[in-house]
Amino acid sequence: SQQGEEDPQALSIQEGENATMNCSYKTSINNLQWYRQNSGRGLVHLILIRSNEREKHSGRLRVTLDTSKKSSSLLITASRAADTASYFCATDWEGYSTLTFGKGTMLLVSP
Amino acid sequence: GAGVSQSPSNKVTEKGKDVELRCDPISGHTALYWYRQSLGQGLEFLIYFQGNSAPDKSGLPSDRFSAERTGGSVSTLTIQRTQQEDSAVYLCASSRTSGNTGELFFGEGSRLTVL
Repeated sequence: SQQGEEDPQALSIQEGENATMNCSYKTSINNLQWYRQNSGRGLVHLILIRSNEREKHSGRLRVTLDTSKKSSSLLITASRAADTASYFCATDWEGYSTLTFGKGTMLLVSP
Repeated sequence: GAGVSQSPSNKVTEKGKDVELRCDPISGHTALYWYRQSLGQGLEFLIYFQGNSAPDKSGLPSDRFSAERTGGSVSTLTIQRTQQEDSAVYLCASSRTSGNTGELFFGEGSRLTVL
């Protein structure tokens, strides 16, 4: 499969702690995106990083991309209970017209 | 509406029946996608529409699945002779451009349960 794979599958932390999720993929990409899904809801786009970028920030989110290792990480700083959700990486391969999603990391932030 | 709208939100059907799931994308979005999400799993690509081009049907799991997009807007996903393994959440998404670099806007999904 060419889909991205997130690691860990599940992560449980306390409010105020940082959460780091990783994504690995197999083929050359145009960009990589991260999405959040609250239980029973659709996915919401968080951030997009292009293949020529190495790091990107958005509020409490920090995404890195290492194309040599075909991996990305999503860091959520100072987590809140409201950050509890599943987080998916999605890759946009060269020459392919859709996004391919991984199985996600389920994040639980306890008050 | 402002977002992607899907209906029905929940559908329970009996094995062997046909079902239709509807997606109303964001106005002006040329690309429309259907994905399937089984319990605790990631998203499985089903089909992609881009403007007036022929759809990319490469993800449809069997010939029981079909989809159309009328007038470049509303899309309907049809599953014929449903099976229990078709039970999943069917997610529709739209984007302003074709897949490269585009952010996808998702609907809330249609949860299908086949008894």
